[in-house]
Amino acid sequence: RKEVEQDPGPFNVPEGATVAFNCTYSNSASQSFFWYRQDCRKEPKLLMSVYSSGNEDGRFTAQLNRASQYISLLIRDSKLSDSATYLCVVTPSGSARQLTFGSGTQLTVLP
Amino acid sequence: GAGVSQSPSNKVTEKGKDVELRCDPISGHTALYWYRQSLGQGLEFLIYFQGNSAPDKSGLPSDRFSAERTGGSVSTLTIQRTQQEDSAVYLCASSFWAGNTIYFGEGSWLTVV
Repeated sequence: RKEVEQDPGPFNVPEGATVAFNCTYSNSASQSFFWYRQDCRKEPKLLMSVYSSGNEDGRFTAQLNRASQYISLLIRDSKLSDSATYLCVVTPSGSARQLTFGSGTQLTVLP
Repeated sequence: GAGVSQSPSNKVTEKGKDVELRCDPISGHTALYWYRQSLGQGLEFLIYFQGNSAPDKSGLPSDRFSAERTGGSVSTLTIQRTQQEDSAVYLCASSFWAGNTIYFGEGSWLTVV
């Protein structure tokens, strides 16, 4: 089983749709969680951290479910510019070696 | 700028030659990472430096790969006797401390012909 698993997609959705991605992790000691966004032929960039209580940033909502060991990302009112690959990142606190990236979920928002 | 800086941005080299890739992390960041990403693939961890501690080299794919970090700042990734399968983008990232948010440079695109 991979340490971090994501549905690779692709997810093709129309503009304005709501789309959700899940990411499961195998290490129950994981403490820090992030979502990164990677555009084609660009470096990954931080989209948002994921907090235990869940957090929202505009159209983006991230949630953590420790019991089931998954994190989720919800995008509301999707825009064409949201088209990218979304990477989840998981790490136990203080153990950067185990900073583990999922292989990414590809999203294409269609006009 | 204040971000992670990498050079060269693009490098084409002949098979068998050595290459050096440079990374200048964000000022004050103690942790520095090298990743590799082949076209259409996920990120592959290579090596991690944290302050003055011994680096975690467990991701280096072969002894042709090595990296150093001088003075706790700039890092150089060296690939000796390059092979075509080394062609990829090499991404450097840094963070303030281990487990914190990491920030990537724009990468060094390596093509071995």
